[in-house]
Amino acid sequence: RKEVEQDPGPFNVPEGATVAFNCTYSNSASQSFFWYRQDCRKEPKLLMSVYSSGNEDGRFTAQLNRASQYISLLIRDSKLSDSATYLCVVNRNSGNTPLVFGKGTRLSVIA
Amino acid sequence: DADVTQTPRNRITKTGKRIMLECSQTKGHDRMYWYRQDPGLGLRLIYYSFDVKDINKGEISDGYSVSRQAQAKFSLSLESAIPNQTALYFCATSEGGHTEAFFGQGTRLTVV
Repeated sequence: RKEVEQDPGPFNVPEGATVAFNCTYSNSASQSFFWYRQDCRKEPKLLMSVYSSGNEDGRFTAQLNRASQYISLLIRDSKLSDSATYLCVVNRNSGNTPLVFGKGTRLSVIA
Repeated sequence: DADVTQTPRNRITKTGKRIMLECSQTKGHDRMYWYRQDPGLGLRLIYYSFDVKDINKGEISDGYSVSRQAQAKFSLSLESAIPNQTALYFCATSEGGHTEAFFGQGTRLTVV
């Protein structure tokens, strides 16, 4: 089983739609979780950290389910500018190892 | 100016040539990383360094070497480039193990 698994997509959704991505991780000792966004041929950039209690940033909501070892990202009212690849990122354990990146889920928002 | 700067941004080189990719950062972070990205394979870790005297192999270190010249500088070398090293290379930094990573803008390397 891969350490971090994501549905690669692509997810093609109309403007205004709500879309959700899930990501599963295999190491139950993982402590830090992030969602990154990567535009085509650009560097990944932090979208949001994921906290145990869940967190929201505008149209974006991230949730963590430790029991089932998955994190999710919900995007409401999708915009054309949300089209990108979304990377799920997990820290393995004590912080003495690098972050582990999922392969990403591609989102296309269509007018 | 970018906090994490990679040079060159684009490079075409011939098989068998030695090439160095450079990365410098102004964030004051101890931790630096080199990744490569290929279509469908995501980001794969090549080498990482947690401080100036620390160098660690990642999952795909064969054919690569690194040098941590200073806290702010971490370079990646391909001793004898081969075509399957054609990829997009990213340098990244982080403050600690539970904090976000900041990426450079990438180096697009083509080996012909």
